[in-house]
Amino acid sequence: GAGVSQSPSNKVTEKGKDVELRCDPISGHTALYWYRQSLGQGLEFLIYFQGNSAPDKSGLPSDRFSAERTGGSVSTLTIQRTQQEDSAVYLCASSLDRDRTEAFFGQGTRLTVV
Amino acid sequence: GDSVTQMEGPVTLSEEAFLTINCTYTATGYPSLFWYVQYPGEGLQLLLKATKADDKGSNKGFEATYRKETTSFHLEKGSVQVSDSAVYFCALSDHGGATNKLIFGTGTLLAVQP
Repeated sequence: GAGVSQSPSNKVTEKGKDVELRCDPISGHTALYWYRQSLGQGLEFLIYFQGNSAPDKSGLPSDRFSAERTGGSVSTLTIQRTQQEDSAVYLCASSLDRDRTEAFFGQGTRLTVV
Repeated sequence: GDSVTQMEGPVTLSEEAFLTINCTYTATGYPSLFWYVQYPGEGLQLLLKATKADDKGSNKGFEATYRKETTSFHLEKGSVQVSDSAVYFCALSDHGGATNKLIFGTGTLLAVQP
């Protein structure tokens, strides 16, 4: 596609429910990132996929968070048993490779846990 | 570990004023350095980058020079406009480090008044 696409753009869920956030990276981009942006906070790294390598999961805040990337393309970030502190904008980005190329960001999914 | 530190905002300037947003970094390898910008209601986009020491990135009147001796990548613009009002993020990608992920600073809100 023309850019990184994320869905849904907004999600309101009840505390304790599971949610899935989807990211469609730019075609051909081998690197994919998930970040979280809370109100008044910076960009918190969550997880990084690069080609067929094992993902860097070092930023996932708890075992309620998981992500997968199928076929080296679409990625899904899953949050189980959501908590109010999970409310944030979840951003996905992709880049061409692990070299010095820029990352392109999607518009984000705004998650609100009530 | 790798990190980015940037000056806290908000930074409030009058139109045509000179802008400096400080950014310093810590990295174990050979980082590339970036400035991303997030305009109100929009996604993050790359503003400029530098991939090695002494490189100068520039775009839209903004400049930043990769200073290895001071581990800095300060963003400057000689004359800001109201349309420059946005959140600015300094970031690094450490190619010689354990991972290539993009690491962001906390962001600096710039508000330019007419």
